Amino acid sequence: AQKVTQAQTEISVVEKEDVTLDCVYETRDTTYYLFWYKQPPSGELVFLIRRNSFDEQNEISGRYSWNFQKSTSSFNFTITASQVVDSAVYFCALSEESSGSARQLTFGSGTQLTVLP
Amino acid sequence: KAGVTQTPRYLIKTRGQQVTLSCSPISGHRSVSWYQQTPGQGLQFLFEYFSETQRNKGNFPGRFSGRQFSNSRSEMNVSTLELGDSALYLCASKEGGRDSRSPLHFGNGTRLTVT
Repeated sequence: AQKVTQAQTEISVVEKEDVTLDCVYETRDTTYYLFWYKQPPSGELVFLIRRNSFDEQNEISGRYSWNFQKSTSSFNFTITASQVVDSAVYFCALSEESSGSARQLTFGSGTQLTVLP
Repeated sequence: KAGVTQTPRYLIKTRGQQVTLSCSPISGHRSVSWYQQTPGQGLQFLFEYFSETQRNKGNFPGRFSGRQFSNSRSEMNVSTLELGDSALYLCASKEGGRDSRSPLHFGNGTRLTVT
């Protein structure tokens, strides 16, 4: 069974600090997909990144970077020089290849990030 | 392109009533999924539709149902509402064919309150 754990329930940082959100996953599949979504107060889940299990390259997009390590089953997300607008709930999610064409997402419980001015 | 549109944004219903939520996917997207979000259970998969066919259903009672129309718009229905059905219901769509691995794009959700 697939499972996603986000151990950090809430994180508070001061603007311009760097912050890392942790995500640990469990799956028996060799092929799977990992995602990060952001949920601002408006409620919409905003897609940030997708990674497949065969691509362990780290990725950087502006102030965002992702560290995927299969050896530790982790897919961590770092925001550099955080801004107040980064305040939101961040979700890590997993989709297994064996779930077939449906490929439903299994979400972690989310991390509430608050960036203080 | 317009994003995923969900209507209404807010709903207040009484226990025992039924409710229908609507979702218009991004133009060209043929797959529509529904998720329920509650403080206690988090985000949980309800069902997914592709070309008017339900492909998968999550672990929810039969009171939860859905359908998809030929224009890919989708509706979900909850009958005999219970207090525990109070939640944010999120609809998502994705591009590509039946087996697309494209990411889901979510709407703003419908917040349902059952009193």
